[in-house]
Amino acid sequence: AQSVTQPDIHITVSEGASLELRCNYSYGATPYLFWYVQSPGQGLQLLLKYFSGDTLVQGIKGFEAEFKRSQSSFNLRKPSVHWSDAAEYFCAVGGFGNEKLTFGTGTRLTIIP
Amino acid sequence: DAGITQSPRHKVTETGTPVTLRCHQTENHRYMYWYRQDPGHGLRLIHYSYGVKDTDKGEVSDGYSVSRSKTEDFLLTLESATSSQTSVYFCAISSGDYGYTFGSGTRLTVV
Repeated sequence: AQSVTQPDIHITVSEGASLELRCNYSYGATPYLFWYVQSPGQGLQLLLKYFSGDTLVQGIKGFEAEFKRSQSSFNLRKPSVHWSDAAEYFCAVGGFGNEKLTFGTGTRLTIIP
Repeated sequence: DAGITQSPRHKVTETGTPVTLRCHQTENHRYMYWYRQDPGHGLRLIHYSYGVKDTDKGEVSDGYSVSRSKTEDFLLTLESATSSQTSVYFCAISSGDYGYTFGSGTRLTVV
C-alpha cells in the first residue's frame, strides 16, 4: 500500500530564512509525487509535481523539490521564505494508472518576523 | 476555485440524520473525489468516481455513500451522521493528469 510520511508536524522559521519540509513515501513502483499548500479556510493548491526526468522540479511561488529515489524522499525547499508562505503543506503520492492520491498528515509552517 | 464548487460551505446536523454534500464542476473532468480532513490525519480518501455511475471506495468509506448521475455532479451522503463524521470535506476533480483541483471545502459538525 502506498503511504506518505511528513515527520514534522509544525515548523517555525524567520522571514527571509531558508526552508526545507521533509517528505518520505512508500510506493511499489515509480511514484508520482506532489506538494500542495493550504491556506487557512481554503482548499489545497498544487505547488509542484514530479512524474519523471529531472529530479529537481520547480514549482510556483519560488518553491522547488528534489526527488531522491534511494532515500524515498521528496523534500520541499525555498531559499527565502515570505510571511505569505505561512500555511499548511501536504505531500502526496500516486502512480501511473492509479488515479488515487495518498496524502501525508501535513506540516504547518509558521513565519516569524 | 474556478470550475468546482461545494455546497453547503457549513452545516450543523444532528446525530442520526442523513446528510448530503454536493460537488459541482464545470470542467467536464472524468475523475472526482471526496476527501475528509482531520487534524493529525491529513486528507483521507472516502470515495472517488471515474465516470458517470462509476464509483469506488477509498480508505475511509464506512458510513458514506456516493452517487454520480451526471458528469458535473458528485454527491456524498452520510447515511446516518455520527459525531466521528464531524470534519472538513473536500471535493477534488482531475482530468487524469494528476492536476487535482480542490473545492473550498464543507465544514460539517454533527451534534
